[in-house]
Parts: sequence; structure tokens; C-alpha cells
Amino acid sequence: GESVGLHLPTLSVQEGDNSIINCAYSNSASDYFIWYKQESGKGPQFIIDIRSNMDKRQGQRVTVLLNKTVKHLSLQIAATQPGDSAVYFCAEIPGGVYKLSFGAGTTVTVRA
Amino acid sequence: NAGVTQTPKFQVLKTGQSMTLQCAQDMNHEYMSWYRQDPGMGLRLIHYSVGAGITDQGEVPNGYNVSRSTTEDFPLRLLSAAPSQTSVYFCASSSFGGKRTEAFFGQGTRLTVV
Repeated sequence: GESVGLHLPTLSVQEGDNSIINCAYSNSASDYFIWYKQESGKGPQFIIDIRSNMDKRQGQRVTVLLNKTVKHLSLQIAATQPGDSAVYFCAEIPGGVYKLSFGAGTTVTVRA
Repeated sequence: NAGVTQTPKFQVLKTGQSMTLQCAQDMNHEYMSWYRQDPGMGLRLIHYSVGAGITDQGEVPNGYNVSRSTTEDFPLRLLSAAPSQTSVYFCASSSFGGKRTEAFFGQGTRLTVV
């Protein structure tokens, strides 16, 4: 079946470096692709989204890139900080509905 | 404005027991949903609701019931708990009028079935 998945389950990053978290998806009909952050013991929290007709979107210290040709989504975090340590999920919303479909998650650990 | 509130935070059940996980939101969101989170499997949708009186099944609905009598509340019922239902459960809500990609999640309920 179609699904959203992440390339790597873990990522270790030096504080101050940039982080890149990748995600592969297979549902070409999705309207939106989204990144969520989940800190230990908490529920997921929205970070940024990108509509399917866009290639790039920037937020505060984060950039999401969408490559529809290879069905690839990435989240870039600039100047990674200790507070960025969390599990990051990519998710998608099929056209016309509200159901979020999540990938398995990437655990990001920031080294001091 | 409390957002999405889930109770209880922790629960231990014996196999065969029933219980209700509570979820309430104070943002007047139309859409509410329940997910379970298991190690290495992300979040999987159990049931969802697009408004009071309307519910539908998600990806993994077996063993769970829901109802939506008000906009604010969306309880999840385990009819006869099984060890396979040991998981962390999250309730979420989002607005039709707002940004449908931005779901607000509760803090979760960690359920252990022994």
C-alpha cells in the first residue's frame, strides 16, 4: 500500500551544524506534506508544511524541500540546538480529507 | 485555553477489562482523531470524527469504539483489553476553517495491558 516513510531511524548532529532529515513518500495524490516534532513524553507538534504544488518553503530555522519527481521530502534545520533533540515525523494529507498519515520517525540527537 | 486534554496519563489494565480514554478540546475544532504510537511504527490512525455525531474508522480500528456527542469531547473505548493494545494513545484535533495540516495533539495516555 501507499505510505509515508523516513530514510533513517536515527540522526546524530553536532550542535551548531545543520541537520537534514529525509522522508520518502509514495502517494502522489497527497495535497500537503507536513513535518511534526515530538519531544520526549509529549504529543507531536506541527513544524511546517508544504503544498504539493511547491518545491520549497522556509520557516524559522527550518526549510522543507519537496521533490515530486523522486517522491522525496526533506526537513533542514539550521544551526541545530539542543532543544531540537526529538523525534521528527513526516506526514501527508491526501486530497480533500483531513486524515494525517505518518511515517515511522527519525530520532535526532544533538551532541554538545 | 488548554488545547487538547487527555486523561488519564497512565493506565494499567488486566486482559479483558474495559475502559474509556478521555479527550477534550476547547478550540471548537470540528475534526478530532485518535492515534496509537508503537515503537518504530509511527502514529497509526484508529478512529476519527469530522463533527458531532459523525465518526469513521481509521487504519487500525479493531477493538476500539468511539462516539462524538459534542464538539468538545471524543472518548475512545476499549471494550475488552488485550496485550496487543499496550501502546501510547494520542488524541488530536484540527480546524476545518483553519490550517488542516496543523493538528493539535494531547500529551498522550500510556496504556499497559497485562
